[in-house]
Amino acid sequence: DAGITQSPRHKVTETGTPVTLRCHQTENHRYMYWYRQDPGHGLRLIHYSYGVKDTDKGEVSDGYSVSRSKTEDFLLTLESATSSQTSVYFCAISEPGTSGSGELFFGEGSRLTVL
Amino acid sequence: SQKIEQNSEALNIQEGKTATLTCNYTNYSPAYLQWYRQDPGRGPVFLLLIRENEKEKRKERLKVTFDTTLKQSLFHITASQPADSATYLCALETDSNYQLIWGAGTKLIIKP
Repeated sequence: DAGITQSPRHKVTETGTPVTLRCHQTENHRYMYWYRQDPGHGLRLIHYSYGVKDTDKGEVSDGYSVSRSKTEDFLLTLESATSSQTSVYFCAISEPGTSGSGELFFGEGSRLTVL
Repeated sequence: SQKIEQNSEALNIQEGKTATLTCNYTNYSPAYLQWYRQDPGRGPVFLLLIRENEKEKRKERLKVTFDTTLKQSLFHITASQPADSATYLCALETDSNYQLIWGAGTKLIIKP
């Protein structure tokens, strides 16, 4: 299995509080992604990173920020959590090559509940 | 609008039969299409990738076809087993921008 760990795996928080989710990889992959997964929706990209300090917005970036200060760590921050951000968050990594982004390796997910 | 559609209803298949899942898309010109398996409470796991100029790709009991005219990919599992029960996701990538666009997945149930 690819070395990706997400923390925390479960979190319950209150509306208006900041939340940070961490993704740590041991594969030295260049690209890292944060997705959210909700029933009836496909995985939706929040933000992604293509290198240290290089990040870009995805489809559903409002209310989220990210940082990548080291190759192995990608942090997702909800600046002021809202109930609509209750979801399962997945981190993924990839090393693009001759087949676009190539295979994505996913973490086990972080289940966030905002009350 | 651009969208990817997978059958939202669960697919029930008898063990030993071939399971076929569909991924349709509109208003995309994908360069690559991928299939993943996701078990409850787990992250998706990569299965196969097919390029736009490939018609078919195989891996053990798995086969993927890609018809850019029909804008459709089919995912087949032959000699299906109860352990194949899972949700299967398709994802496409356009223009090598390293961003995948995902379908919502189809739940496959293989009955003994």
